[in-house]
Amino acid sequence: GAVVSQHPSRVICKSGTSVKIECRSLDFQATTMFWYRQFPKQSLMLMATSNEGSKATYEQGVEKDKFLINHASLTLSTLTVTSAHPEDSSFYICSARPGTVNTDTQYFGPGTRLTVL
Amino acid sequence: EDQVTQSPEALRLQEGESSSLNCSYTVSGLRGLFWYRQDPGKGPEFLFTLYSAGEEKEKERLKATLTKKESFLHITAPKPEDSATYLCATIRGDYKLSFGAGTTVTVRA
Repeated sequence: GAVVSQHPSRVICKSGTSVKIECRSLDFQATTMFWYRQFPKQSLMLMATSNEGSKATYEQGVEKDKFLINHASLTLSTLTVTSAHPEDSSFYICSARPGTVNTDTQYFGPGTRLTVL
Repeated sequence: EDQVTQSPEALRLQEGESSSLNCSYTVSGLRGLFWYRQDPGKGPEFLFTLYSAGEEKEKERLKATLTKKESFLHITAPKPEDSATYLCATIRGDYKLSFGAGTTVTVRA
């Protein structure tokens, strides 16, 4: 149980284009989902928190107009990187916290490798 | 601001050679501490949650312990498949995780 999927697993795009990444909780409902980015040999940095049906809250320094987050249902959150540039190349990982049980545990997706040319 | 520091950065072990990883933290009001395992190019895999000083959790060759200032992940008689990066993270009341930089463990057969 507690499986989180991400799609796509890998994407290469041209500078200036937008890329959408999906995060799904497959066997549980997630009222809260989190988006992280991870640079090579570094740890995970929280970008934003999304709650179903409400606006995402962004960490300091993260551009909300560049990283659009939508949490339209209890099992799906999307991250859209708008007008991507090479410096946006990174490993993006989502996590989901089950909302139907009292738990702090977050379950992570497998990640999406974004390369912007 | 929460600070989570892991040591060592890297650990090379011979198969069967037990060792410990350290995670020290400075947080205002620790709610809990997590250990995750991350394989290259993959997302973190949940291992343990610890809430109280003195608490211990075990899973196969791994055992996690918690004190008021640090946590240890003990690897007993490791096997090559235990090679991974081990991450610890503290959690706040808003469920946000603060991660350490991780310890990369390599176990040689």
